[in-house]
Amino acid sequence: AQSVAQPEDQVNVAEGNPLTVKCTYSVSGNPYLFWYVQYPNRGLQFLLKYITGDNLVKGSYGFEAEFNKSQTSFHLKKPSALVSDSALYFCAVRDGNNDMRFGAGTRLTVKP
Amino acid sequence: ETGVTQTPRHLVMGMTNKKSLKCEQHLGHNAMYWYKQSAKKPLELMFVYSLEERVENNSVPSRFSPECPNSSHLFLHLHTLQPEDSALYLCASSQDVGTNTQYFGPGTRLTVL
Repeated sequence: AQSVAQPEDQVNVAEGNPLTVKCTYSVSGNPYLFWYVQYPNRGLQFLLKYITGDNLVKGSYGFEAEFNKSQTSFHLKKPSALVSDSALYFCAVRDGNNDMRFGAGTRLTVKP
Repeated sequence: ETGVTQTPRHLVMGMTNKKSLKCEQHLGHNAMYWYKQSAKKPLELMFVYSLEERVENNSVPSRFSPECPNSSHLFLHLHTLQPEDSALYLCASSQDVGTNTQYFGPGTRLTVL
């Protein structure tokens, strides 16, 4: 069965600095990988996904993620963090059987 | 904001009550989902419907009963819940069950007393 791990419960960065939110996965077959963001009192919003093709995926709000097959990772990155990026971030993986699993989430706090 | 609405947004109920959560999607999607979100735990997929047929039931207790009368509406009927069922219940939809992106509603915050 597939699984996804977000090793950090909390990530703190200063505004203007680059940010990375880590995600590793385990899946049989080709992975379909997703990042979602959740702002307070809101549902999850889609940020980006990797299905096939370029390993570097660009998404909403200036975020990008790099698919690394050898390290089974799909880390979320942004070159310059904004205070408004503070939220809960979820990585998810779907396998060839269409079962989707989410990580436990990483809380990102960007300080002014 | 995403074309998926949920009502009510907040619900407090006793263990002997019966209530229902409603989800509606305005995106023309064929698949709908119920998730449970508890603090510091991964999202738990509860049910999946494709073209109004249940295609997945992840060992959810029978006190949760889903209903999908058409492809735009999804209900979660609740009865004799336990305090540990308190959580945020999220509805999502996608074009089909597959690699497509899921779009989430804002959730219903459920508190069981």
